[in-house]
Amino acid sequence: EAQVTQNPRYLITVTGKKLTVTCSQNMNHEYMSWYRQDPGLGLRQIYYSMNVEVTDKGDVPEGYKVSRKEKRNFPLILESPSPNQTSLYFCASSFRGSPLHFGNGTRLTVT
Amino acid sequence: DQQVKQNSPSLSVQEGRISILNCDYTNSMFDYFLWYKKYPAEGPTFLISISSIKDKNEDGRFTVFLNKSAKHLSLHIVPSQPGDSAVYFCAASDYGGSQGNLIFGKGTKLSVKP
Repeated sequence: EAQVTQNPRYLITVTGKKLTVTCSQNMNHEYMSWYRQDPGLGLRQIYYSMNVEVTDKGDVPEGYKVSRKEKRNFPLILESPSPNQTSLYFCASSFRGSPLHFGNGTRLTVT
Repeated sequence: DQQVKQNSPSLSVQEGRISILNCDYTNSMFDYFLWYKKYPAEGPTFLISISSIKDKNEDGRFTVFLNKSAKHLSLHIVPSQPGDSAVYFCAASDYGGSQGNLIFGKGTKLSVKP
């Protein structure tokens, strides 16, 4: 089944403790992206990647890192999480020019 | 500054009637527009799209209209069904659909009442 898989689905952590949210797709898509969804703010892009070893900042990249060492994986790294990074995170992928396929989300709470 | 605006946070419609969801954009370089639907506890799913060279695209009960001069697009759902109750996001890109940077609106929550 074609899918974008994010792990974990839920995560509660404390300020400053490094964490990684994994994202994997099995559709051989070149393009991958991370979004965060916050009440009243909709979906905002954090980082995107057009292909392996090519990443770019989206609209809200501060406090996040990404890497794209393999085509299928695009982890989101929070080196020192803060409470304002409490959010619902979505990973997405696509072939260039095609609609995005989204994962089911990771709900992160930073206390 | 918000480049893609969905000014109605919510919309309630009776089953069988038409639902019209609106979206405005400010960037005249946008050339590809999409609508996504999102149920609770799931990721958004693609619904329908339209290129800037068209003014209408239809897929079953869903039709998207684009008015470039007004920088406005709308999604029509006819007839509306209770299963259409979800949050709808409008999105736009300026890379010919390559989605280098896909900008989303804040979403409109549609409730279709039986």
